[in-house]
Amino acid sequence: GQQLNQSPQSMFIQEGEDVSMNCTSSSIFNTWLWYKQEPGEGPVLLIALYKAGELTSNGRLTAQFGITRKDSFLNISASIPSDVGIYFCAGQGAQKLVFGQGTRLTINP
Amino acid sequence: NAGVMQNPRHLVRRRGQEARLRCSPVKGHSHVYWYRQLPEEGLKFMVYLQKENIIDESGMPKERFSAEFPKEGPSILRIQQVVRGDSAAYFCASSPGSGYPTNEKLFFGSGTQLSVL
Repeated sequence: GQQLNQSPQSMFIQEGEDVSMNCTSSSIFNTWLWYKQEPGEGPVLLIALYKAGELTSNGRLTAQFGITRKDSFLNISASIPSDVGIYFCAGQGAQKLVFGQGTRLTINP
Repeated sequence: NAGVMQNPRHLVRRRGQEARLRCSPVKGHSHVYWYRQLPEEGLKFMVYLQKENIIDESGMPKERFSAEFPKEGPSILRIQQVVRGDSAAYFCASSPGSGYPTNEKLFFGSGTQLSVL
């Protein structure tokens, strides 16, 4: 079945640093999505990407849909403590959403 | 998203018992999805339902698991004769759904953490 490889698995950074994470797939997706999950909660949609090459921002977050439609990255600029959580990429092909394994972000104040 | 209500938040069952997980979608949403999340992993699709219909159950184990979304009331994910491997967080999501798939407008509940002793 379709699989997404998300990296890195975890990140430990200082407050104020920029963050970059990415997702790759062996399959083509029509839509790429980035979610954030906090402990004990469900994922919350951050950014949705619909076209190959698309670059979209949401505040300090920027995400891009790779040209090949097999990858995407998410950047967070000037991290703050509330950015802590697990970030998931998700791809949507012809069927359901497929999630990556997540990137756990920890921020040292 | 606060609109999708799942209960209970935590459910403890002994091996062999039944687990019933409930999901009330966002008001007006007629599409419900169930996902399972194991520790340190992403969410795995289980089943997609519309009112009174199962649309895609390709992620559901063939035995012991069933789901329904009746005309009235919440969607129910039922696990019979639970085993320790069923321990996980189960998330429900809903969407307004103007066609399948419209997962990009999914709103997730806070999940039910199932622990099997």
